[in-house]
Amino acid sequence: DGGITQSPKYLFRKEGQNVTLSCEQNLNHDAMYWYRQDPGQGLRLIYYSQIVNDFQKGDIAEGYSVSREKKESFPLTVTSAQKNPTAFYLCASSGTFGGYGYTFGSGTRLTVV
Amino acid sequence: EDQVTQSPEALRLQEGESSSLNCSYTVSGLRGLFWYRQDPGKGPEFLFTLYSAGEEKEKERLKATLTKKESFLHITAPKPEDSATYLCAVQAGGATNKLIFGTGTLLAVQP
Repeated sequence: DGGITQSPKYLFRKEGQNVTLSCEQNLNHDAMYWYRQDPGQGLRLIYYSQIVNDFQKGDIAEGYSVSREKKESFPLTVTSAQKNPTAFYLCASSGTFGGYGYTFGSGTRLTVV
Repeated sequence: EDQVTQSPEALRLQEGESSSLNCSYTVSGLRGLFWYRQDPGKGPEFLFTLYSAGEEKEKERLKATLTKKESFLHITAPKPEDSATYLCAVQAGGATNKLIFGTGTLLAVQP
């Protein structure tokens, strides 16, 4: 079945550590996105990529980095520069024109310990 | 600035009690308005896309409508399994496919 796989489901990070969240899709979608979800704030866009080897900052990119070396994969690294990383992270993908909206993964919950 | 506002923040219904959720938006050149359902700890699940004022779409007990300024998600005779957070998002005109999300309405349907 086609879909988006995010891993791990739960992730714990120590202060000062970088961690990488995985996102893989087999929908043959060109565009991929990373969102952060906090209670009461809705989904906020971190980074997005419309094509391989190209990506753009979203609204809250500081402290995060991404790569898009393959069409299927769009990993997100939460760096030590991100001061408040505890959140629910969602990866999504869409076709070229996005007319059918996004397909979302099941999310990764990151907690700083 | 493109913006999406959903109301109410939370809604509690008795099973069978119909109601509506509201999504008001300001956007430069609406390309599409999207409704999603999100269960706790899971990713949003696509429900509907609406493209132009006057358009309506239905799926089981849910019906989505669109005007030039807002969208409604009508829930007819809800059941406890309809309990979830309902998210609205808009896609503005331009070269990207970015969606702008509202903060959602948390719906609880009591048996």
